[in-house]
Amino acid sequence: GDSVTQMEGPVTLSEEAFLTINCTYTATGYPSLFWYVQYPGEGLQLLLKATKADDKGSNKGFEATYRKETTSFHLEKGSVQVSDSAVYFCALSDRGNEKLTFGTGTRLTIIP
Amino acid sequence: ETGVTQSPTHLIKTRGQQVTLRCSSQSGHNTVSWYQQALGQGPQFIFQYYREEENGRGNFPPRFSGLQFPNYSSELNVNALELDDSALYLCASSSDRDYGYTFGSGTRLTVV
Repeated sequence: GDSVTQMEGPVTLSEEAFLTINCTYTATGYPSLFWYVQYPGEGLQLLLKATKADDKGSNKGFEATYRKETTSFHLEKGSVQVSDSAVYFCALSDRGNEKLTFGTGTRLTIIP
Repeated sequence: ETGVTQSPTHLIKTRGQQVTLRCSSQSGHNTVSWYQQALGQGPQFIFQYYREEENGRGNFPPRFSGLQFPNYSSELNVNALELDDSALYLCASSSDRDYGYTFGSGTRLTVV
């Protein structure tokens, strides 16, 4: 079945550092890929998405590229801020708006 | 567009009791899904409704049931509560036009 494997956390970085959170997936067919962010005490917010190979999703300085050859969708940001501290989830949907399969999440803490 | 709202935000129940959680989806969102998020884990898919019919179910027992109504609201019912049902329950909705779900802030259920 479908699965998502995320870089284990927690991750602690200094403000303005470069961020990479690794995500690889296993799926039948050609899934859509997502990154969601969860701030303390809140639900999930869609951060970015990509629906086909080589697509790049981007939002709020975050980027991720759908790599079919390596089945990966790594999240990157060039300069993180304290406000980026949250839990980040990589997820896939096998056919558009079918169910989402999530990774276990990566807790990111940015220190000033 | 009013977002996805869930009620109640917190709930404490006793083992063996029944609970109903409610969700109000965005107008025009004809797909609603429910997820269970245990502490420190990624969300797990419970089931999905499309135009008031269940069209997908995860690995959850039949005591987890749901309904979707024509006014874009939905319910998650859990019978015979167990201690392991303690979790954050998330409702998510989407439309035929968009990829990706909009999540509510969740209901934190504690079973004692």
